Amino acid sequence: SYELTQPPSVSVSPGRTARITCSGDALPKKYAYWYQKKPGQAPVLVIYKDSERPSGIPERFSGSSSGTTVTLTISGVQAEDEADYYCQSEDSSDSYWVFGGGTALTVL
Amino acid sequence: QVQLQESGPGLVKPSETLSLTCTVSGGSINNYYWSWVRQPPGKGLEWIGHIHYSGNTKYSPSLRSRVKISVDTSEKQFSLRLSSVTAADTAVYYCARVASYGESDSWGQGTLVTVSS
Repeated sequence: SYELTQPPSVSVSPGRTARITCSGDALPKKYAYWYQKKPGQAPVLVIYKDSERPSGIPERFSGSSSGTTVTLTISGVQAEDEADYYCQSEDSSDSYWVFGGGTALTVL
Repeated sequence: QVQLQESGPGLVKPSETLSLTCTVSGGSINNYYWSWVRQPPGKGLEWIGHIHYSGNTKYSPSLRSRVKISVDTSEKQFSLRLSSVTAADTAVYYCARVASYGESDSWGQGTLVTVSS
């Protein structure tokens, strides 16, 4: 079955830039979406259509795509950005959706 | 601002069927897809499936044999049924709205379902 691969963890100092990658064979043809998940809270959409930012999401969150990899970039990381981040997309045959395994972002 | 609220038993016995309902308020249930996502304790998010307001469904291959999602547009609700549950189905279950480009832009608060005798 289709899988999206994320690094388990990323660490960054406050004010620096964090980059979280997500790899999948269908990503050149399918949009990717990014969600922020904090303990005890529902997921929050931070990026959709690879690089679009929903209203209310800070400009420091951005997304990009290159081949089979999409990247969530958080510029000027703040302590409040510490969370798990998940990518999501669809398989190439339009049959089902999947989440990546998630990346724990630690703000040092 | 659309709001979603999950409801259903918080405890289900092994081999029985888990049933949850998501009630939509503050917006229309029409013209959207509606999804179920779960997160087992200490693990990542898992997509369960989604349903179009017209009734078309898609399911995770790993759960397809046990899951059914249905919609009642008159009640502005959609439901999840997961049969033959085991302890591995213990999780926080979320319902969500799927918007125009496939993004889940609104989520319920989540409900913990524990499978235990």
